[in-house]
Amino acid sequence: KAGVTQTPRYLIKTRGQQVTLSCSPISGHRSVSWYQQTPGQGLQFLFEYFSETQRNKGNFPGRFSGRQFSNSRSEMNVSTLELGDSALYLCASSWVGGPYMNTEAFFGQGTRLTVV
Amino acid sequence: TQLLEQSPQFLSIQEGENLTVYCNSSSVFSSLQWYRQEPGEGPVLLVTVVTGGEVKKLKRLTFQFGDARKDSSLHITAAQPGDTGLYLCAGSNSNSGYALNFGKGTSLLVTP
Repeated sequence: KAGVTQTPRYLIKTRGQQVTLSCSPISGHRSVSWYQQTPGQGLQFLFEYFSETQRNKGNFPGRFSGRQFSNSRSEMNVSTLELGDSALYLCASSWVGGPYMNTEAFFGQGTRLTVV
Repeated sequence: TQLLEQSPQFLSIQEGENLTVYCNSSSVFSSLQWYRQEPGEGPVLLVTVVTGGEVKKLKRLTFQFGDARKDSSLHITAAQPGDTGLYLCAGSNSNSGYALNFGKGTSLLVTP
C-alpha cells in the first residue's frame, strides 16, 4: 500500500512569510504526527492529530499550527517564518489500536524548508 | 530537553566489524522503537520493544530493551555498507501520549 506522502519536498521562503505543508497518511491510519528535524536538536515533536482533534502538542511557539481533515490528511502551517525555522519537517502516520498504545510511526520523506 | 541519550554520536567502522549503539534515559518507557534514516529520507521503523528484558532479532541486528524499560541497545553483527545511516531510538510513555521522544541519533558509516 502507498506510504506517507508529503508535499512539497522542498521549499524556500523568506523571513516573515508563512508556509503550509501537506501530509497524506497511509490508508487506514487515523493518527498523524508532525516532527521538526534539525542537526542541532534532532527530531522534535510538534503535534499529533487523531480524528481531526489535536491530542498532543510539543513545546513550539504558537506560530506553528496544524489541522487534520475528515479523510485523515493533515496540514501544518508556520506563520511569520524565522531563519531558525529552516529544517526538515516530517509527518508520520500511525494505526491506532491493538493491545497497547501503538506509537509505531511510519514517516514520509519530509519537506525541506529553507528560510532566507 | 532530550529524554533519550544515544551513544556514540558517530561511528565509522570497516565492513565485517561488530558494533553496539546505546540508548539511555532516566524515564521509563512503555515502548521503545528503533528507526534508521538515510540522507534525504524519513526514518524507517526497524523494531518495537515493549517488555523489559525483551530481545528481538532482525537478521544481523539484535535489539534489547532494558529490564527497567529505561534503556535499549542495538547490536549489529558483521556490518555491511548497506547498514550506513542514522540510527534513532524513540520512546513513548503515558506522559507523552502518542508523541515520540527521539534521541539525537547515532550516525553510522560502514566502509568496504
